[in-house]
Amino acid sequence: DTAVSQTPKYLVTQMGNDKSIKCEQNLGHDTMYWYKQDSKKFLKIMFSYNNKELIINETVPNRFSPKSPDKAHLNLHINSLELGDSAVYFCASSPRGLPDTQYFGPGTRLTVL
Amino acid sequence: AQRVTQPEKLLSVFKGAPVELKCNYSYSGSPELFWYVQYSRQRLQLLLRHISRESIKGFTADHNKGVTSFHLKKPFAQEEDSAMYYCALGGGSNYKLTFGKGTLLTVNP
Repeated sequence: DTAVSQTPKYLVTQMGNDKSIKCEQNLGHDTMYWYKQDSKKFLKIMFSYNNKELIINETVPNRFSPKSPDKAHLNLHINSLELGDSAVYFCASSPRGLPDTQYFGPGTRLTVL
Repeated sequence: AQRVTQPEKLLSVFKGAPVELKCNYSYSGSPELFWYVQYSRQRLQLLLRHISRESIKGFTADHNKGVTSFHLKKPFAQEEDSAMYYCALGGGSNYKLTFGKGTLLTVNP
């Protein structure tokens, strides 16, 4: 009955590879987000989707491509991984897309070697 | 532009002592303000939001519009309060929250 789930929990990969992280929410929320938390614990928004439409794209390299097949899912695909991509990636959702309580997933720890 | 400043990266207190985590913001409209908490190896979760004016786990936050602050307070800290605390701001029809850089609170026995 987990509200916001992400897979995988851990991801270790080599530089140059392509990888995907999946996110699903069963709360019936309209809006979903991807955040990056760096090694200093700084949390920064990357993308936001509202009803499958891209709303926010915060100067993220175009190697990162979000995809929302339906409003319950927001996946993150990363091409040509770099060392600096190592971080914890959090997915979140909120009910109506307006500034509202956000519900976070458990995070995916990505390590690029 | 929205900006959230948490001036203290680290804050250490003893159990039973009062604690205040500072948060200042800049925003031209009427802000929605939140405190989120991340316990060790757990997901972020909402602690409280200013509009509800609730007290959660003994924490309260006062919104001072004059000095644009939203400090988080607890009169008697407990060891289980040790965590990373993030202040966040959202406003208007914007779909995003802007987070501060976080304050790591350690409550010593």
